[in-house]
Amino acid sequence: GAGVSQTPSNKVTEKGKYVELRCDPISGHTALYWYRQSLGQGPEFLIYFQGTGAADDSGLPNDRFFAVRPEGSVSTLKIQRTERGDSAVYLCASSQQGRETQYFGPGTRLLVL
Amino acid sequence: AQSVTQLDSQVPVFEEAPVELRCNYSSSVSVYLFWYVQYPNQGLQLLLKYLSGSTLVESINGFEAEFNKSQTSFHLRKPSVHISDTAEYFCAVSRQGGSEKLVFGKGTKLTVNP
Repeated sequence: GAGVSQTPSNKVTEKGKYVELRCDPISGHTALYWYRQSLGQGPEFLIYFQGTGAADDSGLPNDRFFAVRPEGSVSTLKIQRTERGDSAVYLCASSQQGRETQYFGPGTRLLVL
Repeated sequence: AQSVTQLDSQVPVFEEAPVELRCNYSSSVSVYLFWYVQYPNQGLQLLLKYLSGSTLVESINGFEAEFNKSQTSFHLRKPSVHISDTAEYFCAVSRQGGSEKLVFGKGTKLTVNP
């Protein structure tokens, strides 16, 4: 079956612009996670959805970042007024409800110039 | 809160040599433990995990890790590495219970040389 997919695979934008990153989880997975991986670092948690609602958004760095999952499947991570420090690989993962194993997508590499 | 420390950022070894990648964690609650692997230009893949039961867990490609509660460690070992094991390895923890966020270490870059 299909794994977690993320689009675009690469995104180059200019400082101050708005970007949207998309994640399509494994079919039937109710839990969806966003992580950010900066160069030389491990992934850092951003936000977790259970169904349509954000169950934990404690990792979002500031109010320029927000994410939605309106129908409980596809999720979009939105970044307003991008800054150079937002440059990173944004990873999405999904899991079955109540299960501990997360399956990761290939990531979106964001570069803010 | 949980934290993970991977003591070695880079580990170079020769092919067929044994290797150990170290991972220590800190948590005030019971945790699950994971090793993920990231091959060059690929996404994160689960290598192995400890949930409960036997403290020694194995992967299909010859890696093993042992959960040591007293030392709060989950070191990854392989008795004989291959060139194809060259990758970045991440140790991670989550609170027990399922559907919990992962807390990752900074990763260890394993390079296997001929």
